[in-house]
Amino acid sequence: DAKTTQPNSMESNEEEPVHLPCNHSTISGTDYIHWYRQLPSQGPEYVIHGLTSNVNNRMASLAIAEDRKSSTLILHRATLRDAAVYYCILRDSGVDFGNEKLTFGTGTRLTIIP
Amino acid sequence: NAGVTQTPKFQVLKTGQSMTLQCAQDMNHNSMYWYRQDPGMGLRLIYYSASEGTTDKGEVPNGYNVSRLNKREFSLRLESAAPSQTSVYFCASRIGRVSNQPQHFGDGTRLSIL
Repeated sequence: DAKTTQPNSMESNEEEPVHLPCNHSTISGTDYIHWYRQLPSQGPEYVIHGLTSNVNNRMASLAIAEDRKSSTLILHRATLRDAAVYYCILRDSGVDFGNEKLTFGTGTRLTIIP
Repeated sequence: NAGVTQTPKFQVLKTGQSMTLQCAQDMNHNSMYWYRQDPGMGLRLIYYSASEGTTDKGEVPNGYNVSRLNKREFSLRLESAAPSQTSVYFCASRIGRVSNQPQHFGDGTRLSIL
């Protein structure tokens, strides 16, 4: 499986944008980039995913480099509730037999400063 | 809007005792998963069920058994608990057979084995 690399931790001020980087230099052409986050004492929750084009949803934006070897999760205006561990995960977009397995690394622990 | 429900939320066992962790989802999902998360680490897949009636080993299956009781329920059993199985256990479900649909997680069972 292609591997991702993320910084162990980041800090950001409340109400400012946050850019969380992820490197995936061995990504294959069929890999989607998924982001999950895990709030304290909770299970992970899905944030966003993309293949080549930048993506936006109500939670965040995903910016994908032209060569797809890196991506950035953007939280436009961080709140205290965004303090969590953020995981960048690659998932093969091949035929889905219902047996998708996500490989979680250690992620980036985001601290929001009031 | 329950989603994925795990019981119990907390449990303390003695070495050698047995226990079953319960998981139920109300989203009519086909695929279900069991993960464990040790302190400071990402999630690791124990077992999964791609669809009702099937189960398969994940990354760390030793010491565990699973049962996909029906489409809604997927249980994880520790036959003879060991201190190394002290962890937080997360159950997840996914619609399955549709590419790039996210996994939905429960809030976990915190298990301590003395």
